Amino acid sequence: DAEITQSPRHKITETGRQVTLACHQTWNHNNMFWYRQDLGHGLRLIHYSYGVQDTNKGEVSDGYSVSRSNTEDLPLTLESAASSQTSVYFCASSLSSYNSPLHFGNGTRLTVT
Amino acid sequence: GESVGLHLPTLSVQEGDNSIINCAYSNSASDYFIWYKQESGKGPQFIIDIRSNMDKRQGQRVTVLLNKTVKHLSLQIAATQPGDSAVYFCAESQGGKLIFGQGTELSVKP
Repeated sequence: DAEITQSPRHKITETGRQVTLACHQTWNHNNMFWYRQDLGHGLRLIHYSYGVQDTNKGEVSDGYSVSRSNTEDLPLTLESAASSQTSVYFCASSLSSYNSPLHFGNGTRLTVT
Repeated sequence: GESVGLHLPTLSVQEGDNSIINCAYSNSASDYFIWYKQESGKGPQFIIDIRSNMDKRQGQRVTVLLNKTVKHLSLQIAATQPGDSAVYFCAESQGGKLIFGQGTELSVKP
């Protein structure tokens, strides 16, 4: 069955370190998204991609970057981790057609100490 | 600004009863809406969606109602079961990107 996999599931890192969270999907979806989930804020969009070599900023993109070198993967990089980036991060994908549901991974819980 | 929100942050129902979870949205241009279920430690799971040219859509034990006049969306779960206990999110599509509400926690009492 097609799926979307995030790794690691849990990560603890120190302030100032660079961290990369992996996302791999086997749906063959063109669209991929990264969200963070925090109490009181719900799911907020960080970055998204509509295809290979395409990346776009979401509403909370500062301090994050993504790259899309193939259809299956959209890694999320925190350039210099900050305590405010402690959160649960979800990757999602969707078909290229307009207005289609997102399929989510099970998340990465990141703690920045 | 435009936002999606939920009327009730928590909902407790008896097993076997019907559940209704409500959602208000403020962007009249939104043309697509989705309900997600999120269990502890997992990612949101798609339940059902509806396009703005419809006012009702049914799935297995779930029904979504859309009232564009008052910008209101609801999720009805029939014969609620313990496995339905989770947080439920509504989301609206703005320019092809989904904007999520805060979520309602549904608790099912045996």
